[in-house]
Amino acid sequence: EAEVAQSPRYKITEKSQAVAFWCDPISGHATLYWYRQILGQGPELLVQFQDESVVDDSQLPKDRFSAERLKGVDSTLKIQPAELGDSAMYLCASSFGLMNTEAFFGQGTRLTVV
Amino acid sequence: QKEVEQNSGPLSVPEGAIASLNCTYSDRGSQSFFWYRQYSGKSPELIMSIYSNGDKEDGRFTAQLNKASQYVSLLIRDSQPSDSATYLCAASGGAGSYQLTFGKGTKLSVIP
Repeated sequence: EAEVAQSPRYKITEKSQAVAFWCDPISGHATLYWYRQILGQGPELLVQFQDESVVDDSQLPKDRFSAERLKGVDSTLKIQPAELGDSAMYLCASSFGLMNTEAFFGQGTRLTVV
Repeated sequence: QKEVEQNSGPLSVPEGAIASLNCTYSDRGSQSFFWYRQYSGKSPELIMSIYSNGDKEDGRFTAQLNKASQYVSLLIRDSQPSDSATYLCAASGGAGSYQLTFGKGTKLSVIP
C-alpha cells in the first residue's frame, strides 16, 4: 500500500544544534505539506509545495526554518538553530493536487529539544 | 487567517451509542472538508472527505456538510472502544488559498 515515508521517527537534539527531517510522498502526489503539531493541538501548516514550488510558507519561521523540494519529489525540513519550543511532532502529508484531493500523512518525526 | 473550530471535549459516549462531532469554519469559500482520526502518539488518519452539501456515509461513519451555516459534522454509529481517539476536522480552499487548515481536535472516549 502506498504511504508517505518520513525519517527519522524520533530525534533528540540539543538546543542551538541543527536538525533535519526527510519526507518521501506517495508516488504521483504533486502536493506536499509539512505540519508541526504540539501536544494537545491540531496540526499547524508550516509549508506547502506544489511540485518543487512553494505554494504557502506564511507560517514558517524563516529565521530558523527552511524547507526544500528540489526535484519535486522528496523534501527536507531543517531547523537551525533548534530551540526548546520546537519540541513537537513534525508531520509530512501529500495529496494528488491542490484542490479537492485527500491528503495522507506519514508517521511523523517526534522532536525533543533539550 | 482561515480558522476551523472544534469543541476540544472530551466527549464521552457509551459503547453502541452514536457519537456526534462538530466543526465550524470561518472561510465561506472553503470547498473541501475532511475528518481525520488520531490515536495518541500517532499521526492523523483520513477517515472521511466531503465536498458538497448533504450527507456522505461510509460504514459506521456519516459526514454532514452545510455550507450556508459553515458547519461540518461527523456521526459515528455503534461506537466502539477502538473509536476512542482525537478527531480532527480540516478545510481547504477559499480566499485564494490552498491551505489545508486543521481544528484543534475533539477527544472522544467510548466507555465499554
